[in-house]
Amino acid sequence: DIQMTQSPSSLSASVGDRVTITCRASQSISSYLNWYQHRPGKPPRLLIYAASTLQSGVPSRFSGSGSGTDFTLTINNLQPEDFAIYFCQQSYSTLQYTFGQGTKLEI
Amino acid sequence: QLQLQESGPGLVKPSETLSLTCNVSGDYIRSSSYFWGWIRQPPGKEMEWIASIYYSGNPYYNPSLRSRVTISEDTSKKHFSLKLSSVTAADTAVYYCARGVVGTFIHWFDPWGHGTLVTVSS
Repeated sequence: DIQMTQSPSSLSASVGDRVTITCRASQSISSYLNWYQHRPGKPPRLLIYAASTLQSGVPSRFSGSGSGTDFTLTINNLQPEDFAIYFCQQSYSTLQYTFGQGTKLEI
Repeated sequence: QLQLQESGPGLVKPSETLSLTCNVSGDYIRSSSYFWGWIRQPPGKEMEWIASIYYSGNPYYNPSLRSRVTISEDTSKKHFSLKLSSVTAADTAVYYCARGVVGTFIHWFDPWGHGTLVTVSS
């Protein structure tokens, strides 16, 4: 299995801040990396696919970068609705998708 | 807009079979560009992919669960299902259904259902 490790596990920030969340794969996954947001009481939401492509309807303050084993999700100008759990998912191994453990972004 | 909703028992006894259904509504399109999937999250752990079923009808399973899992689709009723046999407490989790998207070279899940908590306990 390809292991996905996120850091930090939790993060405190304020409205207007810029934050960065990291996802590391246990082997190279090229750009086969997706990011999701999970807010309480809501379904998980796709933010970014293929490491850096913003899903339609997602605000441009979200961005993703990286390739190989190291990836980052950056959120600029944090808004109140951004406080949630963020997790990554690799689809390099299409018959064994794996996910990061999640990063909880708190106010 | 496509919406997915999981349904099924919230409590299952050990050794029994967990059965869940995902009801699909809205912009339902059957296409080779999409597939259906089940994902779960045990308490305090990361998400775990369980199974997917493609437009061709071919199912794919997480190797760690393959011997106990069945995914199926009823296209006429616009739903797909999950069966997990011989459950134990380790199968207690929030279970999500999702549509998988086959991109140019990468797959992703969008949208997801809200999830349903299934507890395995006697």
